[in-house]
Amino acid sequence: SQTIHQWPATLVQPVGSPLSLECTVEGTSNPNLYWYRQAAGRGLQLLFYSVGIGQISSEVPQNLSASRPQDRQFILSSKKLLLSDSGFYLCAWTGSGRRYQETQYFGPGTRLLVL
Amino acid sequence: RKEVEQDPGPFNVPEGATVAFNCTYSNSASQSFFWYRQDCRKEPKLLMSVYSSGNEDGRFTAQLNRASQYISLLIRDSKLSDSATYLCVVNGWVSNYQLIWGAGTKLIIKP
Repeated sequence: SQTIHQWPATLVQPVGSPLSLECTVEGTSNPNLYWYRQAAGRGLQLLFYSVGIGQISSEVPQNLSASRPQDRQFILSSKKLLLSDSGFYLCAWTGSGRRYQETQYFGPGTRLLVL
Repeated sequence: RKEVEQDPGPFNVPEGATVAFNCTYSNSASQSFFWYRQDCRKEPKLLMSVYSSGNEDGRFTAQLNRASQYISLLIRDSKLSDSATYLCVVNGWVSNYQLIWGAGTKLIIKP
């Protein structure tokens, strides 16, 4: 069966510090991968998605970046965190088939607090 | 107007009651609709897809009304374990990979 891992679970970082969040998927090949952010009381905001190694699409311009160095690994990064980067970061995957028609499966998420 | 809009609640409902909530969406060309459930401080999980003909899964029934651009979720015989936030999701129109998420409706089932 497929599983998706994210770490760390919780992170407290000072403003201006770098960020690296990692997501890995097991039990599937060539998944579509997604990074979302959820602010308190808000819906999920799609940040990046990837349909293959090295292929990254950005939905929202900001100081974050993403990379996909391996088929089942997706990394979210920032060189300098802002207070507004605080939130619940979720990684998700779908099969490589019918895009938005696919069910999205989420990792456990990382709670980031920028102080 | 928000792209996907939900009543944030909370809906406080006694155990065993029936509860329903709606979600409106702005793009008439939307094709895919989902209800996800999110427990407190947890990741969302798919509850059900919403088909044009409506669909039912046990105590849960989802309906789509294209003319009025809303989807609904009905929960019958509610259980304490149904307490959660229910997220309405609609496919986006900028990208084929984009889903637009509502902010959720919080449901609290009381004994």
